[in-house]
Amino acid sequence: GESVGLHLPTLSVQEGDNSIINCAYSNSASDYFIWYKQESGKGPQFIIDIRSNMDKRQGQRVTVLLNKTVKHLSLQIAATQPGDSAVYFCAETLYGGSQGNLIFGKGTKLSVKP
Amino acid sequence: KAGVTQTPRYLIKTRGQQVTLSCSPISGHRSVSWYQQTPGQGLQFLFEYFSETQRNKGNFPGRFSGRQFSNSRSEMNVSTLELGDSALYLCASSLGSSGRGQETQYFGPGTRLLVL
Repeated sequence: GESVGLHLPTLSVQEGDNSIINCAYSNSASDYFIWYKQESGKGPQFIIDIRSNMDKRQGQRVTVLLNKTVKHLSLQIAATQPGDSAVYFCAETLYGGSQGNLIFGKGTKLSVKP
Repeated sequence: KAGVTQTPRYLIKTRGQQVTLSCSPISGHRSVSWYQQTPGQGLQFLFEYFSETQRNKGNFPGRFSGRQFSNSRSEMNVSTLELGDSALYLCASSLGSSGRGQETQYFGPGTRLLVL
């Protein structure tokens, strides 16, 4: 089916290390991708986005890479901190579709060990 | 700016009842979308409203409905509740100006619904 998925359901890293969370998508028509962070008891929080005409975008301590050839998206978190512990979701929207229709992956739980 | 707000935050209902959830978008945002989040199915799109009109709809039964008011506030209603409707219901807002799926959606804290 045309959906976004994640390779790793859980990821445990040491504080200070870099984290990489991966995501695969199957629809080559998707043209906008977003990473969200969801902490326990809260709604998803926007982290960073990227459009299909880009292959890399950087934010504060985060970098998103997009490889359209293999339909792969990744989120890199530099110097991971305990406050980064959360579930991370990638989401995609289809070109020409309404922005309401985000297709979410299942999520990866990031656990940061002090 | 205040973020997306949702009320109530928690709700307990019994099978067969109906429920109405409310969402107030970020000021200036005209698009409101609703999602259902469950451990088994993850985050699934319910529907989106823009300018008081449903613009997009996910694959949910007709028991799930919504509406949007002129001030962009939105409500969703679930009738004849089933046990499987227990979930976190999330509302997200965006400007809604592009209409091409490339605007950031900002989520509220959600309403946790438990159906007994």
